[in-house]
Amino acid sequence: QKEVEQNSGPLSVPEGAIASLNCTYSDRGSQSFFWYRQYSGKSPELIMFIYSNGDKEDGRFTAQLNKASQYVSLLIRDSQPSDSATYLCAVNMGNSGYSTLTFGKGTMLLVSP
Amino acid sequence: DTEVTQTPKHLVMGMTNKKSLKCEQHMGHRAMYWYKQKAKKPPELMFVYSYEKLSINESVPSRFSPECPNSSLLNLHLHALQPEDSALYLCASSPSGLSYEQYFGPGTRLTVT
Repeated sequence: QKEVEQNSGPLSVPEGAIASLNCTYSDRGSQSFFWYRQYSGKSPELIMFIYSNGDKEDGRFTAQLNKASQYVSLLIRDSQPSDSATYLCAVNMGNSGYSTLTFGKGTMLLVSP
Repeated sequence: DTEVTQTPKHLVMGMTNKKSLKCEQHMGHRAMYWYKQKAKKPPELMFVYSYEKLSINESVPSRFSPECPNSSLLNLHLHALQPEDSALYLCASSPSGLSYEQYFGPGTRLTVT
């Protein structure tokens, strides 16, 4: 049974702080990893993906992957109230031509002004 | 451009109705997906099409019938649904490559009365 675990939160941070979101996964064969942001009532929006160990930075977002420890994290620098949303971690085993994602249950982030 | 479009945005249907959901992408992606999402839950995979062929059916009841008329278009035909089928229906597509990252459309909010 493939599992992806996230703390459901809410994670509360003040505006301008760094928000750190964590995710662990059970399947060592997992090949690529994704962070989606989902506002209430809206669809998931892909904000980062990573498939190599280490860090990947895009603007205020940094994804970190450690395959040996089976965890992936998302850092949001200079958090803004508009970052308040549910963040879904998803893991892909990898297939020919398409992906099959296992999602965590999501972490709710609240950024207070 | 990473846009997936879905119509309609909202749909209310009775249990005896037949309706269809439509999804379109013009990014040249060859994999397309249907998900169902209930409130406060992660998306749940229903179907995967790869190169216009059905690759995965996650034991979805036959009252949901997918169709992929061409590489840009994905339909979900609905018939004799139950009230518990009320949910947000999401379409996604992914490019070929190392990660097969999925891009979601805005979703169709379905209510079955």
